[in-house]
Amino acid sequence: GEDVEQSLFLSVREGDSSVINCTYTDSSSTYLYWYKQEPGAGLQLLTYIFSNMDMKQDQRLTVLLNKKDKHLSLRIADTQTGDSAIYFCADSEPPPLDTGRRALTFGSGTRLQVQP
Amino acid sequence: NAGVTQTPKFQVLKTGQSMTLQCAQDMNHEYMSWYRQDPGMGLRLIHYSVGAGITDQGEVPNGYNVSRSTTEDFPLRLLSAAPSQTSVYFCASSYSSGPDSNQPQHFGDGTRLSIL
Repeated sequence: GEDVEQSLFLSVREGDSSVINCTYTDSSSTYLYWYKQEPGAGLQLLTYIFSNMDMKQDQRLTVLLNKKDKHLSLRIADTQTGDSAIYFCADSEPPPLDTGRRALTFGSGTRLQVQP
Repeated sequence: NAGVTQTPKFQVLKTGQSMTLQCAQDMNHEYMSWYRQDPGMGLRLIHYSVGAGITDQGEVPNGYNVSRSTTEDFPLRLLSAAPSQTSVYFCASSYSSGPDSNQPQHFGDGTRLSIL
């Protein structure tokens, strides 16, 4: 089945850039997403990239997609203490024609710790 | 605009008890789903629904029932709670259009469930 892998932990200093990496196995993925989860909260959609794109920039966030290597990364510029959270990578399979299922396959999450 | 609302936020049950986790969305989304989140793991799909009156099983459906009598509500029922069902449960919703369209899923804040 599909698999999405992430490193478990990343620690950076405030003001530095953070790079969170993700690998996936499903070559038919259409969209890839980054979600942020703060303690005790739900998942907040940060950004996404369509599978035919290489890069997407959204303010401090830059998503890079290497489709050949099935590698996705999220770069956060000028990381702030408020960026401390768990970041989930997720891929979206095309829905099978007979079910309409739109499942996301999630990685196990990367805990980002930002030190002042 | 409340988005996706889950109740209760916390619940403790004894083994064998039953309960219903509520999920409601006010965005007129056709697609709704339930995930569970366990430590060190990403979210796993329990059940999903592509519209009122239509539900189907996800990756880990055993021990859970769902129904979708209205577009807005998608309750998750535990008929006989087991300690293995201790988890954080997230409800999500999205529009349900063609496979090439980006329809990111919006998540509730979760229900933290402990089974003793």
